Amino acid sequence: DTEVTQTPKHLVMGMTNKKSLKCEQHMGHRAMYWYKQKAKKPPELMFVYSYEKLSINESVPSRFSPECPNSSLLNLHLHALQPEDSALYLCASSQGQALGRGNTIYFGEGSWLTVV
Amino acid sequence: GQQVMQIPQYQHVQEGEDFTTYCNSSTTLSNIQWYKQRPGGHPVFLIQLVKSGEVKKQKRLTFQFGEAKKNSSLHITATQTTDVGTYFCAGRGSSGDKLTFGTGTRLAVRP
Repeated sequence: DTEVTQTPKHLVMGMTNKKSLKCEQHMGHRAMYWYKQKAKKPPELMFVYSYEKLSINESVPSRFSPECPNSSLLNLHLHALQPEDSALYLCASSQGQALGRGNTIYFGEGSWLTVV
Repeated sequence: GQQVMQIPQYQHVQEGEDFTTYCNSSTTLSNIQWYKQRPGGHPVFLIQLVKSGEVKKQKRLTFQFGEAKKNSSLHITATQTTDVGTYFCAGRGSSGDKLTFGTGTRLAVRP
């Protein structure tokens, strides 16, 4: 069982809606990540937070807006999405510095997003 | 940028047969991690390799990191239906930057 919890597990939203994905971890990890995964493809990095500060934004469109309220929580705010944004959104965390060489990344179960 | 390819893309084996997936990076890696993703599931961490030429075993799974730290392999002996899923390698560059996932190998096992 994963110790990274994501809600909701499934989300259907219209292109004009505003919704949020939430992620929580209680492992004391100081780096948290959002990945996007399309069917039959590997996870693609979107954002990295290290010690609650945004350290990497992989040129993600502004309709995706991350937020890290504290070291245990990570949100992804969604607004004006397109159907092609439908995917599995994975939250992950790792100990210590986000880009540390020895860091193992632990994934949550993901949120399945469908944009209609 | 760094690219990590895996072959084969897909393999279908009879239960009891062996299976190997190969991972090749365009650049030298500081370490490599392997993940398994069951159908409909999320990636689950299997193992990390750090040293050149390192070999690690987990029951029927054997992981190798190449001498040049640019390739890796995962070998499963005597596959079982529980081995079904997609296996991803993920490599971290020599400067310790972000983890790049390989293209994945999907394994199907006939009972």
